[in-house]
Parts: sequence; structure tokens; C-alpha cells
Amino acid sequence: DTGVSQDPRHKITKRGQNVTFRCDPISEHNRLYWYRQTLGQGPEFLTYFQNEAQLEKSRLLSDRFSAERPKGSFSTLEIQRTEQGDSAMYLCASSLVGDQETQYFGPGTRLLVL
Amino acid sequence: DAKTTQPPSMDCAEGRAANLPCNHSTISGNEYVYWYRQIHSQGPQYIIHGLKNNETNEMASLIITEDRKSSTLILPHATLRDTAVYYCIVRSYGQNFVFGPGTRLSVLP
Repeated sequence: DTGVSQDPRHKITKRGQNVTFRCDPISEHNRLYWYRQTLGQGPEFLTYFQNEAQLEKSRLLSDRFSAERPKGSFSTLEIQRTEQGDSAMYLCASSLVGDQETQYFGPGTRLLVL
Repeated sequence: DAKTTQPPSMDCAEGRAANLPCNHSTISGNEYVYWYRQIHSQGPQYIIHGLKNNETNEMASLIITEDRKSSTLILPHATLRDTAVYYCIVRSYGQNFVFGPGTRLSVLP
């Protein structure tokens, strides 16, 4: 399967702990996006990369959140000092610049903060 | 905020066509209409997109009105596996996707 993959698929953690999620985009895609989705809502944009450069961050991305894409391939999203309000599905998507930027999504990582 | 308005829910009988409407009255000339769907607990799945002409692929057809202020996604022969939340999004090149709450389609046996 050559789609977007995310790891882990599920994460349960205690409040105050740090968590890190990984996203592997479609191999030739140069843009990578992170979204957050809470129950009953559509996905909300967090940030995106073009190659290794982080080009935009949403105001939703508090200073406890950090994302990296060090070699322009996979990306990680870290949440420090998790809070119960961070419980959500974290989605990754990738696209190819110039292909009208159709985004293809991964299966998501579901985070539960106790 | 999302630039589209969709009904919150719809039902469709299995085997019949599902017609999902979307209103985007403030769409600008360089904005595309995209449709995604999300089956429970999965990531959104791309369906189709268009600018002003009607589009068809193996999954669905997209009908965009001449004034581009609304569109309809058509699933020609809905199956139970088409039960999902369907999102209509308008965006131009370089803009981020802004998802609204979508339409929850229930395909009934």
C-alpha cells in the first residue's frame, strides 16, 4: 500500500505526559499537512510543510505542539504536557505541488488523554 | 470558517442515486470545489473536484451550476459502504482546506 501511513493508530496517555506521532506521506509528495479532528466536527488545519520547511501554522497550534519534517520525508508531531482537551484524532495528509494540490489523508492517530 | 453550506444529514435507499447538495454562494473565480468523505473512524477520502465543468470519475459525478454558487455530488448507485460524512470544500491554489461539519449520509437497506 503506497498511501499515507500514521503511527501509532491509537494512543492513551496520562495528563502531563509527552506524546509523539509519526506520519509517512506518499513518497513523491512534497507537501505534508497535520489536522486535528474532535468528535462531530470536521478536520481543523494545524500546520503544513513543503519539503522540510514549515510554511504555515494555525493559531490552534499552541506552544505545547511542535512539528518537524527533518529530511522532507516523514514528519512528527509532538505534544508536550498533554491536557484532556488534546484528546482528538490527529490526521496527516500529503499532496504534490502542481497537481491542484489534492490532499490524500492517512488513517489518523486517535489520542485519549486521561 | 467554511465557505460552504450542507444539510446536516440525508438518507438514501441502497441501489438508488444519492444526491448531496452544497451551497457555496461566495465562491470566487479561482476556487475549486472538492468533495471528500469520511467513513467512521477513518481518515477523509478524496472523491472528486472541479472548477466549473461537470466531472465524473469511478466514484461519483460532480455537477456544478453555471453560476458556480452551488454543486451536487452524485453517487449513482449507493451501497451500504457509502454511509459516511461527506464534506464539500471550496479552495483556491495555495489555500488550506477548511472543513465544515459535512453531511452525514445514511444508506438504508
